[in-house]
Amino acid sequence: GAVVSQHPSRVICKSGTSVKIECRSLDFQATTMFWYRQFPKQSLMLMATSNEGSKATYEQGVEKDKFLINHASLTLSTLTVTSAHPEDSSFYICSAITQGGTANYGYTFGSGTRLTVV
Amino acid sequence: TQLLEQSPQFLSIQEGENLTVYCNSSSVFSSLQWYRQEPGEGPVLLVTVVTGGEVKKLKRLTFQFGDARKDSSLHITAAQPGDTGLYLCAGVAGGGADGLTFGKGTHLIIQP
Repeated sequence: GAVVSQHPSRVICKSGTSVKIECRSLDFQATTMFWYRQFPKQSLMLMATSNEGSKATYEQGVEKDKFLINHASLTLSTLTVTSAHPEDSSFYICSAITQGGTANYGYTFGSGTRLTVV
Repeated sequence: TQLLEQSPQFLSIQEGENLTVYCNSSSVFSSLQWYRQEPGEGPVLLVTVVTGGEVKKLKRLTFQFGDARKDSSLHITAAQPGDTGLYLCAGVAGGGADGLTFGKGTHLIIQP
């Protein structure tokens, strides 16, 4: 089946530094990937939609200059958390659409990245 | 903004009991998905329901999509400790190229 690989799985960084998270589709091409954030004991919140070759679409309230998304190829999207602060500490998860069509598609999720800003 | 209300948020029951998790919205979704998530991992898809009134079964799990495609339920029969986890419903609003709207999740604990 379709596999989405996310790296790193855990990262600790100092406040004010930047962190890059990679999301790769291993055996399929993903023109669209999504980035979610999940705080402890809470659900996933969509942050942005990443489209290959074009600018990402951000959800309301998500700072595009803070969460930089690059989707330069059909198999790789990256999320860079710039000037990270402790409140950015969270579980970041990417996903990709694995099939086309309106009724028979799937979303495959990466294994997530636990970001801790100290 | 479409919202999904999921209930209950927390549920702890004894092994062998039955349970139902509900997912409700005032909006219509083109489809609705149920996921299970383990701590520190990404969600794993359990099922997708597309047609209003659709019922799908996955072993002891039964999923139903409301006739109006605004609500869904997950029923687990004879729950086992291995069913313990976070269950998430997620709605798809458009034609498949949109991000998912997740419910708040149900933290399920099955006690042996």
